[in-house]
Amino acid sequence: LAKTTQPISMDSYEGQEVNITCSHNNIATNDYITWYQQFPSQGPRFIIQGYKTKVTNEVASLFIPADRKSSTLSLPRVSLSDTAVYYCLVGDMIGYSSASKIIFGSGTRLSIRP
Amino acid sequence: ETGVTQSPTHLIKTRGQQVTLRCSSQSGHNTVSWYQQALGQGPQFIFQYYREEENGRGNFPPRFSGLQFPNYSSELNVNALELDDSALYLCASRVGAQGASNEQFFGPGTRLTVL
Repeated sequence: LAKTTQPISMDSYEGQEVNITCSHNNIATNDYITWYQQFPSQGPRFIIQGYKTKVTNEVASLFIPADRKSSTLSLPRVSLSDTAVYYCLVGDMIGYSSASKIIFGSGTRLSIRP
Repeated sequence: ETGVTQSPTHLIKTRGQQVTLRCSSQSGHNTVSWYQQALGQGPQFIFQYYREEENGRGNFPPRFSGLQFPNYSSELNVNALELDDSALYLCASRVGAQGASNEQFFGPGTRLTVL
């Protein structure tokens, strides 16, 4: 199963664009890249998922280079409410085989300042 | 649409006791996963249930067991509690089928404290 490496923490200011990069050198062919956000004392919340190139939704963009060994979550114009822990996950849960499971790393603690 | 709910919210047990945690999955979701999250750490996968059968397990001992019911709700049972079992236990549900998203919907968790 592919492991991920993310920065432990990042700081930014309101209104800035924040990019969090995740390394996953051992990503498998069937693996998807998924990002979750977690606030204290709450369960993680799905942000975005991708397989290759670029994916964009209403809250974030996900950039994945051709070799898929890394990915970058981009949060445009962050606000104080974006202060949270962000997890990069690599795995394949689309198939419901016994091998399907997701590994969370330690995440990136993002702090947004006024 | 009702989201994932878990009960109880908080629980205090003593070492050696047994505990049962409960999860109601989101409507239409047939797959439930359980995670253990220690303070300051990411969630650790315990196991997954699909259509009432365990079909994936992380590195947790057999004293961690579970059930999934016909309505897709689920239970996590932990026997012979140890101090290190103190954590936030998260339940997540999703649609388990080919072509489905990797998106999991998490409940708020149960905070278990073992004294």
